[in-house]
Amino acid sequence: DVKVTQSSRYLVKRTGEKVFLECVQDMDHENMFWYRQDPGLGLRLIYFSYDVKMKEKGDIPEGYSVSREKKERFSLILESASTNQTSMYLCASSFGLAGVHSYGQFFGPGTRLTVL
Amino acid sequence: QQQVKQSPQSLIVQKGGISIINCAYENTAFDYFPWYQQFPGKGPALLIAIRPDVSEKKEGRFTISFNKSAKQFSLHIMDSQPGDSATYFCAASMEGGSEKLVFGKGTKLTVNP
Repeated sequence: DVKVTQSSRYLVKRTGEKVFLECVQDMDHENMFWYRQDPGLGLRLIYFSYDVKMKEKGDIPEGYSVSREKKERFSLILESASTNQTSMYLCASSFGLAGVHSYGQFFGPGTRLTVL
Repeated sequence: QQQVKQSPQSLIVQKGGISIINCAYENTAFDYFPWYQQFPGKGPALLIAIRPDVSEKKEGRFTISFNKSAKQFSLHIMDSQPGDSATYFCAASMEGGSEKLVFGKGTKLTVNP
């Protein structure tokens, strides 16, 4: 079974804090993704990565950065958390070379981040 | 042009009924259309997907209908069960291009016993 794990299920931070969300997958997937999920807005892509040390902006990258130093690990960083970044954050991974079109994206359980 | 519009936002169906969720897209370069199912407290999971060379795909009680000329596709859940209660997302992507998926905003389905 593919497993995508996220470091925390719930996280409470204060405005201005630097926040790290960690994601690890155990299936040797090339692609990894970070989304945020908000009621009525669906899933919005923040950043994705095709390979180690490679990253590309998604639809809403402002206020976020990412790091992928190892193939299995993809980190989302909020440099200075703000209240409008309160959300559910979902990590996903998929096989490379059109893997998303054959096997889909595999999602973690999510981290609910609250910024006070 | 990158949007996928999904409706309705929420849906309540009686057990045994048919649930229908609709999606529409504008970008004719999309050529892969998956549906994801998300239960509370879990991440979404791939449910069923279709490519535009067929008009319908069926897996058990779940069917995707695809209308290429109208640029619409829909998910039908036959004999809906309370265990089907979840949020459903349609999505689209380009097989020859990026690994990215463009998601609809989701439909919360409640199946009453």
